[in-house]
Amino acid sequence: AQSVTQPDIHITVSEGASLELRCNYSYGATPYLFWYVQSPGQGLQLLLKYFSGDTLVQGIKGFEAEFKRSQSSFNLRKPSVHWSDAAEYFCAVLSNFGNEKLTFGTGTRLTIIP
Amino acid sequence: EPEVTQTPSHQVTQMGQEVILRCVPISNHLYFYWYRQILGQKVEFLVSFYNNEISEKSEIFDDQFSVERPDGSNFTLKIRSTKLEDSAMYFCATGQGEATDTQYFGPGTRLTVL
Repeated sequence: AQSVTQPDIHITVSEGASLELRCNYSYGATPYLFWYVQSPGQGLQLLLKYFSGDTLVQGIKGFEAEFKRSQSSFNLRKPSVHWSDAAEYFCAVLSNFGNEKLTFGTGTRLTIIP
Repeated sequence: EPEVTQTPSHQVTQMGQEVILRCVPISNHLYFYWYRQILGQKVEFLVSFYNNEISEKSEIFDDQFSVERPDGSNFTLKIRSTKLEDSAMYFCATGQGEATDTQYFGPGTRLTVL
């Protein structure tokens, strides 16, 4: 069965510092991978996605992620975080090709300190 | 930019009562999904719906749950007899249909069962 692991439950970084959120997946075929962000009280907003091609994908709000097949990882990065980046971040994999069911990780809560 | 909308934003109900959660998909989307997120837990797939029938459902989606598109626009999730453990945030998502398409999420309905 497909699964996604986000090993960091909570990360705190200083405003202006760089950020990396980890995501590991388990999937038999070529994965379709996503990062979503959830601000407090809000729904899920897509940050970026990987389907094929260039393994470094750019997303909104200055985020990027790199797909590494050898490590089964899809880590999210941002060179300089802003206070508005404080939110919950979810990595997800598209499961059961054809039915497009997303399987989510448990999420990483990002706190930004001044 | 088109958005998925959901009503109500918050629903409080007594255990055993029926609730209907409503979603208005993005107009040209053909695939519809319900997910839920119990407080502090990860987002879980409930059901996918295409061409007026369920494509796939999870083990959570038992006989107490049903979905329909009653008027060709709204997409509803009905819980016939709510239980305390149904308390969660319910997200509707819609997609254009290709496996590689993004699922766009609504803001969610917070269901509280007392």
